[in-house]
Amino acid sequence: KAGVTQTPRYLIKTRGQQVTLSCSPISGHRSVSWYQQTPGQGLQFLFEYFSETQRNKGNFPGRFSGRQFSNSRSEMNVSTLELGDSALYLCASSLAPLALAYFGPGTRLTVT
Amino acid sequence: AQSVTQLGSHVSVSEGALVLLRCNYSSSVPPYLFWYVQYPNQGLQLLLKYTTGATLVKGINGFEAEFKKSETSFHLTKPSAHMSDAAEYFCAVSEQGGSEKLVFGKGTKLTVNP
Repeated sequence: KAGVTQTPRYLIKTRGQQVTLSCSPISGHRSVSWYQQTPGQGLQFLFEYFSETQRNKGNFPGRFSGRQFSNSRSEMNVSTLELGDSALYLCASSLAPLALAYFGPGTRLTVT
Repeated sequence: AQSVTQLGSHVSVSEGALVLLRCNYSSSVPPYLFWYVQYPNQGLQLLLKYTTGATLVKGINGFEAEFKKSETSFHLTKPSAHMSDAAEYFCAVSEQGGSEKLVFGKGTKLTVNP
């Protein structure tokens, strides 16, 4: 069974640009969560989606948004990128909310 | 609000020695507790989890953890360290009956010396 897939794996953007990251969950999993990992702040929760609905949102500015499609794939978008947005963005999928979460390898975003 | 404290951002042990990584949590409701491991340039891999029932939880690669409600702790142990255990370890908590959101500790980087 294939694991969680995240694309792209690495990305370099310039301040002010926007970026879209993609996450394909494990087949059959309907819940997707996103986390940001930085050396300073550690792992922080961004969003949680289940059946195309956002169930929960972390404490991030409105520049961070996400969505989930009918096939459970999820995207997150960051607009007007700032240097501080440089991070590893991790996606986790699970069968349902509160079920065990499996993490993808992450997308490493560098903002210059 | 939930929180997790991992004591010691860096832990160093000799190969074959006991590994003990400490985790204390704060939660207003019964928690789910997790330990994840992260190797360089990789995502998070689940080592073990506690939901309900037996408080001693066995995970992969010889790791285990014990949920102690009175101490609000969930320390991770392994009797004998192997070089391949060198990685960063994260303790996390989520709420029973709550959201999918995991609250993570800051992580403990484990070094295993030959």
